[in-house]
Amino acid sequence: QKEVEQNSGPLSVPEGAIASLNCTYSDRGSQSFFWYRQYSGKSPELIMFIYSNGDKEDGRFTAQLNKASQYVSLLIRDSQPSDSATYLCAVNLFGNEKLTFGTGTRLTIIP
Amino acid sequence: DAEITQSPRHKITETGRQVTLACHQTWNHNNMFWYRQDLGHGLRLIHYSYGVQDTNKGEVSDGYSVSRSNTEDLPLTLESAASSQTSVYFCASSDFGQPQHFGDGTRLSIL
Repeated sequence: QKEVEQNSGPLSVPEGAIASLNCTYSDRGSQSFFWYRQYSGKSPELIMFIYSNGDKEDGRFTAQLNKASQYVSLLIRDSQPSDSATYLCAVNLFGNEKLTFGTGTRLTIIP
Repeated sequence: DAEITQSPRHKITETGRQVTLACHQTWNHNNMFWYRQDLGHGLRLIHYSYGVQDTNKGEVSDGYSVSRSNTEDLPLTLESAASSQTSVYFCASSDFGQPQHFGDGTRLSIL
């Protein structure tokens, strides 16, 4: 079982709709959870991070964490064509600065 | 503005040669990381450092080495380049307990 799992996609969402990206992790000692966006040929860019159960909102983005079920999700409201990218989920363990990444979900926003 | 820079951006070399990729950050971050990114594998950790003179192996460290003589730099050396090391390499840095931020990457081709 992979430590961090994401559906590779592609996930196609109409412009203006909500895009929902999911990530599950295997280690219950995971403490911090990160979402990175990566455009083709570019480097990963931090979108959001979350440490506590529940929702965290930043503009059009909402991160949701459920430690009991070991999943973290990213919602993108009012999706725009510029949101088309690969989204990487990453986690780290308590007291550990290393990140473990999922393989990413490719998101396409259809105009 | 503080930043993290990688050089070169692109490199082509031959098998058996020694190659060094540079990573320089001006954030004064303690933590620095090297990843490789390959299709189907996502980002995999090669080596990391939590401070000057500290280096640690990641999950795919065979054939790679790093040294940390100052806060700003963590060069990655391929001692004897192999075709399996053709990849995109990313350097990242962070402060303790904070998200990692990535450089623009180096695309390395080994013929």
